[in-house]
Amino acid sequence: GENVEQHPSTLSVQEGDSAVIKCTYSDSASNYFPWYKQELGKRPQLIIDIRSNVGEKKDQRIAVTLNKTAKHFSLHITETQPEDSAVYFCAAFRTAVRSSASKIIFGSGTRLSIRP
Amino acid sequence: ETGVTQSPTHLIKTRGQQVTLRCSSQSGHNTVSWYQQALGQGPQFIFQYYREEENGRGNFPPRFSGLQFPNYSSELNVNALELDDSALYLCASSLDTQSRGEKLFFGSGTQLSVL
Repeated sequence: GENVEQHPSTLSVQEGDSAVIKCTYSDSASNYFPWYKQELGKRPQLIIDIRSNVGEKKDQRIAVTLNKTAKHFSLHITETQPEDSAVYFCAAFRTAVRSSASKIIFGSGTRLSIRP
Repeated sequence: ETGVTQSPTHLIKTRGQQVTLRCSSQSGHNTVSWYQQALGQGPQFIFQYYREEENGRGNFPPRFSGLQFPNYSSELNVNALELDDSALYLCASSLDTQSRGEKLFFGSGTQLSVL
């Protein structure tokens, strides 16, 4: 079946260094790729997203790249700070078309820890 | 805060019982989707409701059912609870399934424990 693979499952980086999380998806009809941050005991929150017609998007210290041919996308966090510690989830979304319902599949998550 | 509210926040049930979880969507949103998040895992899509009709379903058995009301609030019902149903159940609302409807706004979830 369709799935989204996310790596690594855990990541520890020194404060100020960069962190990269990678995801691969299988559904070629996916056209929207959000990233969510979930702090312990809290709801997932959208931090950045990218659509299939764009290769890269940046928002301050966070950037996402998409390689639609290879079906993979990555989250890049630069100048990491202690508040970046959380679990990050990628997702691949297929927008509904005619009678076909929309569909979203999440990755299994990456636990990011920032060392002071 | 997203404006999506879920109730109850925590719930303990025993195997075989039935449970109803509730979700109020963000103002102006007409689409609600439900997710099951087991400990240490990503959210798994259960189903989505758009204008009171089911509009997509994940790999969950029929004992997982739902409703959406005219005010776009929603319920998730689970019958014949099993131990593996223990998880955080997240509700998310979005504006529309076919126009920028991908942006999900999550509630804080209901933590269900089945004993």
